[in-house]
Amino acid sequence: DTAVSQTPKYLVTQMGNDKSIKCEQNLGHDTMYWYKQDSKKFLKIMFSYNNKELIINETVPNRFSPKSPDKAHLNLHINSLELGDSAVYFCASSQDPSPGTDTQYFGPGTRLTVL
Amino acid sequence: AQSVSQHNHHVILSEAASLELGCNYSYGGTVNLFWYVQYPGQHLQLLLKYFSGDPLVKGIKGFEAEFIKSKFSFNLRKPSVQWSDTAEYFCAVRLRTGANNLFFGTGTRLTVIP
Repeated sequence: DTAVSQTPKYLVTQMGNDKSIKCEQNLGHDTMYWYKQDSKKFLKIMFSYNNKELIINETVPNRFSPKSPDKAHLNLHINSLELGDSAVYFCASSQDPSPGTDTQYFGPGTRLTVL
Repeated sequence: AQSVSQHNHHVILSEAASLELGCNYSYGGTVNLFWYVQYPGQHLQLLLKYFSGDPLVKGIKGFEAEFIKSKFSFNLRKPSVQWSDTAEYFCAVRLRTGANNLFFGTGTRLTVIP
């Protein structure tokens, strides 16, 4: 069984469109994250959610909005897509939001291409 | 500025050669340290992690890493690489206080030639 899953795997869209990427984890974890990996493979945190509460938000444009219907899901909505949004987006989850002993488990990634 | 550095951008080795990938960080507090691997077209997988205790940690697939606090380093090693180790390797750091996000290095691409 896939622990952290994302859909779609590939997403190609035009500038200005609104799109969503879904993430689900079946690990029973309390915290979920979104990371962006740019064309140079650099990974940077975007958001994390713990018990439906946003706990970090790193200087991400407000066109990006995470939505968590329940603790097993954290979807990423992107409005008015721009060329610079092209990247691979990774979802992750961990058991404990406290920086202590937990480990983040990553999904397979969604490659977003904005034309 | 706080950062995670991986100085080797691309490493090319022949099979059976020994591997050492460097990772240095600049955070002053207590940290948790991780190495993740990304095989071509696949997601990030955890190789190994250090939280506390023995600074030499062993991970999956014969990898190990040594935490040297005085050098702010957490280098990844493998005594004999295989073609299947061809992948991108990422070092990551998480502060023990504050936000729970991981700070990643820029990654090192390893190419193993059969």
